[in-house]
Amino acid sequence: AQSVSQHNHHVILSEAASLELGCNYSYGGTVNLFWYVQYPGQHLQLLLKYFSGDPLVKGIKGFEAEFIKSKFSFNLRKPSVQWSDTAEYFCAVKEGGGADGLTFGKGTHLIIQP
Amino acid sequence: EADIYQTPRYLVIGTGKKITLECSQTMGHDKMYWYQQDPGMELHLIHYSYGVNSTEKGDLSSESTVSRIRTEHFPLTLESARPSHTSQYLCASSEVLGGPLHFGNGTRLTVT
Repeated sequence: AQSVSQHNHHVILSEAASLELGCNYSYGGTVNLFWYVQYPGQHLQLLLKYFSGDPLVKGIKGFEAEFIKSKFSFNLRKPSVQWSDTAEYFCAVKEGGGADGLTFGKGTHLIIQP
Repeated sequence: EADIYQTPRYLVIGTGKKITLECSQTMGHDKMYWYQQDPGMELHLIHYSYGVNSTEKGDLSSESTVSRIRTEHFPLTLESARPSHTSQYLCASSEVLGGPLHFGNGTRLTVT
């Protein structure tokens, strides 16, 4: 079965630091890839997605992610974080042709210190 | 603001009670989903629907049942709640198969 690994469960950074959150998946075929964010007290919302084409995708709020097929990875990055980026971040994968629904990682709790 | 509405937001209930978690969306999406999430853990798909009168079980076995009589409504029912059902339940919808999901705020269920 498909699995998604997020290596960092808790990350603490200072404002203006650079961010990279790791995400690896297990499926070797065609995939759709997603990053979701959940701000405190709010619902999960889409940060960015990759379906095909340019492996470097840009999302909202200055986030970007790079799909590296050979490494089965879809790491999330932001060059300079802000206090408002404090949230829970989830990587998710949909394998092509597979059963419906996304497979999620366990999430990374990001805390940005002012 | 979410276009998917889940009620109640929090529910504390005794063992053996029947409960229904409500989920409605106003976007006209055919595809709807229920995920279960325990603290610090990943979301697990427990039910999904491709449209009216369509329901399927997800990856995680669940004693709950769902129905889809109307496009906008996808309620989840537990006939007899148990403490092992204590969890957060998230409802989502999607415009296309394999596309991004739109989530509700979730229902935090505690069974005592």
